[in-house]
Amino acid sequence: EVQLVQSGAEVKKPGESLILSCKASGYTFTRYWIGWVRQMPGKGLEWVGIIYPGYSHTRYSPSFQGQVTISADTSISAAYLQWSSLKASDTAMYYCARVRGDGYNGDFDFWGQGTLVTVSS
Amino acid sequence: NFMLTQPHSVSESPGKTVTISCTRSSGSIASNYVQWYQQRPGSSPTTVIYEDNQRPSGVPDRFSASIDSSSNSASLTISGLKTEDEAEYFCQSYESIIWVFGGGTKLTVL
Repeated sequence: EVQLVQSGAEVKKPGESLILSCKASGYTFTRYWIGWVRQMPGKGLEWVGIIYPGYSHTRYSPSFQGQVTISADTSISAAYLQWSSLKASDTAMYYCARVRGDGYNGDFDFWGQGTLVTVSS
Repeated sequence: NFMLTQPHSVSESPGKTVTISCTRSSGSIASNYVQWYQQRPGSSPTTVIYEDNQRPSGVPDRFSASIDSSSNSASLTISGLKTEDEAEYFCQSYESIIWVFGGGTKLTVL
C-alpha cells in the first residue's frame, strides 16, 4: 500500500529555518516524481515543485523558485521541503504527493496528510 | 505561464447533474492533460479525473469530464448528485513541467 506520511505541525517565528519531511512507503521511491503543494488558509491549491528522487532532478513553480528547496534522501525514502528564512506569508498547509506513472507531468495519485506551518512573531 | 479559471461556487440539488468549467487563459487546453481533484474539508485532495477523462479506480462513473477546444476549457460533470459530493473541486494542468491549479469551485449539494 502506497503511503506518504508527513512530519507534524510546526509553529515558527519569521526568519527561522524549517524542513518538512514526507516519508514514502509501499513503492519504489526512486522511480516516481514527488511534489509539494501549498494551501494557504481558506485558499486553493498551489503547485510548489517536484523532484525525481532517482536523479534528484527538481522543478519549481516560478512563484516558489528561490524561496524554497526541495530535496530527497533515497536511503530512507523521504522527500523534503525547506526554508532558510520563513515569512508570515509562508503560513499554510503543505502537502506532499506522488506523481502518477513514470513521467513528471500528470496528476498526483497519492497524497500525504498535510503539515500545517504557522509563522508568527 | 497560463492560468486556469473556475467558477467560485456552484450549487445543485441531490439527484441532479452539475458541470464545473475550467478555462485555460493561454495555450491550447488540448495540448496537455487536465486533471480534477476533490477536496473535502479537513482532508487531502484526491483525484476524480486524470488525463482529461480517466477515472481512478474507486471513483464512481457519476463523475465524467471532457475537453472543449472551441472554448479552450475543460469540464467536470457529476450526475446523480449525492450529499457526499459536496466538496471543493480543482482542475489542474501543466506546460513544460510547470503545473497549474485552478482556483477551485465549491460545490454545494442542497
